[in-house]
Amino acid sequence: GQNIDQPTEMTATEGAIVQINCTYQTSGFNGLFWYQQHAGEAPTFLSYNVLDGLEEKGRFSSFLSRSKGYSYLLLKELQMKDSASYLCAVLDSNYQLIWGAGTKLIIKP
Amino acid sequence: GAVVSQHPSRVICKSGTSVKIECRSLDFQATTMFWYRQFPKQSLMLMATSNEGSKATYEQGVEKDKFLINHASLTLSTLTVTSAHPEDSSFYICSARSGENEQFFGPGTRLTVL
Repeated sequence: GQNIDQPTEMTATEGAIVQINCTYQTSGFNGLFWYQQHAGEAPTFLSYNVLDGLEEKGRFSSFLSRSKGYSYLLLKELQMKDSASYLCAVLDSNYQLIWGAGTKLIIKP
Repeated sequence: GAVVSQHPSRVICKSGTSVKIECRSLDFQATTMFWYRQFPKQSLMLMATSNEGSKATYEQGVEKDKFLINHASLTLSTLTVTSAHPEDSSFYICSARSGENEQFFGPGTRLTVL
């Protein structure tokens, strides 16, 4: 079966750095996405990785290792507005998105 | 990024009525549109995938006669919840894909069935 694992909840301090991990087992791989979702809102796109390595975009970076079936989202200089759920999703061989359950990130002052 | 709109953003209806939700890609042609449902504190659940001009593909457990999907054009897909009941109350989100890998999400529609 297809499976995406990510921690249910994480807590971090404002101004700090947090890394949210995602491991996956899917039938085929055509890329991995990270989305941010605030409560009551639709997800918004953060990053897309299809090749191994680190992609940096401002305060957010995303890393992918296809051989390990592993990705992480790195958030630097955390702000209170970063409190949200972070969803990991993999595009499988049929180009369908397989979603993780999401990681709720709580930022404390 | 590309823009996807949904209408209405919120709807409250009585049990037994039908509700139609529209999803539009505003600045690109969407070859494929997806409909998701999300219950509170849960992840997105894919309901169905629709390609323009063809029948939608429903996920297991989703009743196709209850959740009618029409992908009338490359910029419009509609989801009709027929004979809605309180257990259908949820956050319905559409997304659209232009042929590349990324999906663009609409803002979602919150349905409350009384």
